[in-house]
Amino acid sequence: EAGVAQSPRYKIIEKRQSVAFWCNPISGHATLYWYQQILGQGPKLLIQFQNNGVVDDSQLPKDRFSAERLKGVDSTLKIQPAKLEDSAVYLCASSLSHRSSYNEQFFGPGTRLTVL
Amino acid sequence: AQKVTQAQTEISVVEKEDVTLDCVYETRDTTYYLFWYKQPPSGELVFLIRRNSFDEQNEISGRYSWNFQKSTSSFNFTITASQVVDSAVYFCALSEAVRGNLIFGKGTKLSVKP
Repeated sequence: EAGVAQSPRYKIIEKRQSVAFWCNPISGHATLYWYQQILGQGPKLLIQFQNNGVVDDSQLPKDRFSAERLKGVDSTLKIQPAKLEDSAVYLCASSLSHRSSYNEQFFGPGTRLTVL
Repeated sequence: AQKVTQAQTEISVVEKEDVTLDCVYETRDTTYYLFWYKQPPSGELVFLIRRNSFDEQNEISGRYSWNFQKSTSSFNFTITASQVVDSAVYFCALSEAVRGNLIFGKGTKLSVKP
């Protein structure tokens, strides 16, 4: 079974530029999560989708971050414009369902973003 | 508010030593799940274990064991006879039963030296 795929693996941009990350979850997984992991810290949830609907985006900085999951499969996370403090690893995860019995999350390799 | 505390930032042991990683959590939910993930230098988070709040039985899987104690809100992880390949950052996490999103601790970096 293929795991969660993410691209690109690395990205370097200058502040105020835009960037987009792509995630392809495990086939059949209804729930998709985007996490931000700043160096030396644990991952922090940015947004959670159930199929193509948003379940939780309370910690997403909506003035600069946006995410979509068209057709309930792949997802894109965008930052526009980027700030220095956005330098982090962006992790995508998926699970069969957000319901308790199935909420084991599988993580992708992440995209390491450096904002100069 | 929900919170996970991993007080040990870094631990260094010599191969074959036993090591325990501490995890203390806070939640007002009566139903919740606790997790441990391993993050090797490659960066990908690897699932190790999930426990629900109603199951306080300790669990052993090979050299790994977990001790869940609701009375002290702790979910500690022990590696017996550590190996160099165990070197990684280990995260403890908590999730609500309803929404399922994970709340992570800051992680404990384990270095196992030969």
